Amino acid sequence: GEDVEQSLFLSVREGDSSVINCTYTDSSSTYLYWYKQEPGAGLQLLTYIFSNMDMKQDQRLTVLLNKKDKHLSLRIADTQTGDSAIYFCAESKNFNKFYFGSGTKLNVKP
Amino acid sequence: GAVVSQHPSRVICKSGTSVKIECRSLDFQATTMFWYRQFPKQSLMLMATSNEGSKATYEQGVEKDKFLINHASLTLSTLTVTSAHPEDSSFYICSARPLGGGATAYNEQFFGPGTRLTVL
Repeated sequence: GEDVEQSLFLSVREGDSSVINCTYTDSSSTYLYWYKQEPGAGLQLLTYIFSNMDMKQDQRLTVLLNKKDKHLSLRIADTQTGDSAIYFCAESKNFNKFYFGSGTKLNVKP
Repeated sequence: GAVVSQHPSRVICKSGTSVKIECRSLDFQATTMFWYRQFPKQSLMLMATSNEGSKATYEQGVEKDKFLINHASLTLSTLTVTSAHPEDSSFYICSARPLGGGATAYNEQFFGPGTRLTVL
């Protein structure tokens, strides 16, 4: 089945940029997403990218997609302590099923 | 807009009892709702897809008689964990996809805040 992988932890200093990486196996994915989950809460959609795009920028967030390598990354510029959370990448191809990575816990040190 | 609520947010029950979790779309209608399960420090695993007025579609390995799903209206889906056991303890999250237009242009699902189930 579909497999989405992420590194488990990332630690950065406040003000630095954070880059969270994700790889996936399903080349027919239509949409790729980044979600943020704060402790004890549900998932909040941060941004998404359609599979025919290679980059998308949304304020402090930049998504890069390398479709050939099936690699997705999320860059957070000027990372703040409020950005500390778990970040999930997800892929979907048939508008029904989302497949999530294991989540990357981002720790932002003041 | 696009708020999804879950009730209860936290429940503790004895082994062998049944627990019902509600998922509501508060300001939109959802033809499709999804139920996920999340183990500590792990990803969300899709359990089932719930369509209003029809039977739920369960993912492989998920027991449909154990996890009963009812999607009686366009704003409510329920998940009942029957005869719960300690291994059913988990964080259950629902999501809902709006009916037509707007966010569905990019296939967004709106997630509820989750329900923490602890079975003693």
